[in-house]
Parts: sequence; C-alpha cells; structure tokens
Amino acid sequence: SQQGEEDPQALSIQEGENATMNCSYKTSINNLQWYRQNSGRGLVHLILIRSNEREKHSGRLRVTLDTSKKSSSLLITASRAADTASYFCATDGNTGKLIFGQGTTLQVKP
Amino acid sequence: NAGVTQTPKFQVLKTGQSMTLQCAQDMNHEYMSWYRQDPGMGLRLIHYSVGAGITDQGEVPNGYNVSRSTTEDFPLRLLSAAPSQTSVYFCASSRRTGTGELFFGEGSRLTVL
Repeated sequence: SQQGEEDPQALSIQEGENATMNCSYKTSINNLQWYRQNSGRGLVHLILIRSNEREKHSGRLRVTLDTSKKSSSLLITASRAADTASYFCATDGNTGKLIFGQGTTLQVKP
Repeated sequence: NAGVTQTPKFQVLKTGQSMTLQCAQDMNHEYMSWYRQDPGMGLRLIHYSVGAGITDQGEVPNGYNVSRSTTEDFPLRLLSAAPSQTSVYFCASSRRTGTGELFFGEGSRLTVL
C-alpha cells in the first residue's frame, strides 16, 4: 500500500501561474521528499523536509509540512513550460526505505 | 559524472525467459535499490541493499532476485519472466541510507509478451 498520496492526480495551468500539489501520508515520518520526473526520464530529487521543519524553500519551490495533519504541499511559483512533469512525494514512514506516492502530473501551457 | 547507469534501456522478452537488468553507480553510495513504475501505481520498491553483500526485500519482491557483490553494482534478475512484470524499472542509490536523497537511473522499459 502507498504511504503517500498526491492530490490532484493531474493539474493544468498557464505559464506564469502558481501550481500547488498536495501529499498525504499515513504513518509518522522522519522526513518527506519531493521528486520530479520528466516524461521518459528518471526521477530527480527536488527538496527534503524533516519532520521538525514546517517550511522549506528552494528557488521557485516552497514546501510545507504539517505533521499533525500528516500532509505536505509543494508550491511552484511563476510556472514555466519546462516545469511540465510528474511530481512525487516520498516518505520514509519509519521503515528505513522511501515509499512513493502515485504522483501529480503537471502541465504548464505556454 | 555518470551517476547511476542502467542497461538495457529497452527489452522485450517472451514469457518464461530470463534476463538481468544492470545497474551501476560511480558515487560510492552504500544504499542501492530497485523500483518498478506502473501506470496509476507510482513507484514500488522491489529489493534494496544497504551495502556490499547485504540485500533485502521491498514491497514487491516476488519473481525477482538481486545480489550485491560490489559497492558499485546491483543487478536485478528475472528468472522466469511473466507478463505482469511488464513495467519500467528504476535503479536508485543513496549515500548512506534508504531515506536520504535518492539518485535515479534513466530507467529500463521491459515488455514481457
């Protein structure tokens, strides 16, 4: 069973708009990570947020973590066509291994 | 830097055939793992290794074998391929543990007829 579940499954926006995707998980975690996957390629690590952190920034990315609600969100500001990809959250769930969600497919229209 | 290298990129097998997916990393990472990616299922962990000589099962290990004789290499073996093993396979490595940043290969697309 999946530890992380992303929402929405698919998102389509115009270039310049912000994109927000959410991740919910079931058990306690040590950290939560977000990855990007371009079509036909491997996953690329974007950001890691630890369980004692509430917010983290990296360039145009902003990740929040609410451990009381067991949820995280990834915000991409001022989206570009190059941001078109699938985005996955991954949690360790105290298992020592990363478990991935099903992903959100983001399409940014020029 | 090559990072994580997977071969082959594409493979077609007949039911019952065997094959090995190769994975090599040049980052001296202790942790290596194999995932499969299927539509609507996300990535599911098949097997993983925390160091040379040590392997363990993930979520979906049935039908797959692994070994880790060196730090660099982590091959995935399908002993008798089944259509249910049609998938895209990803090898990933991490510096120390399975919960740190994972570095992924480009994937191996396998079709079993």
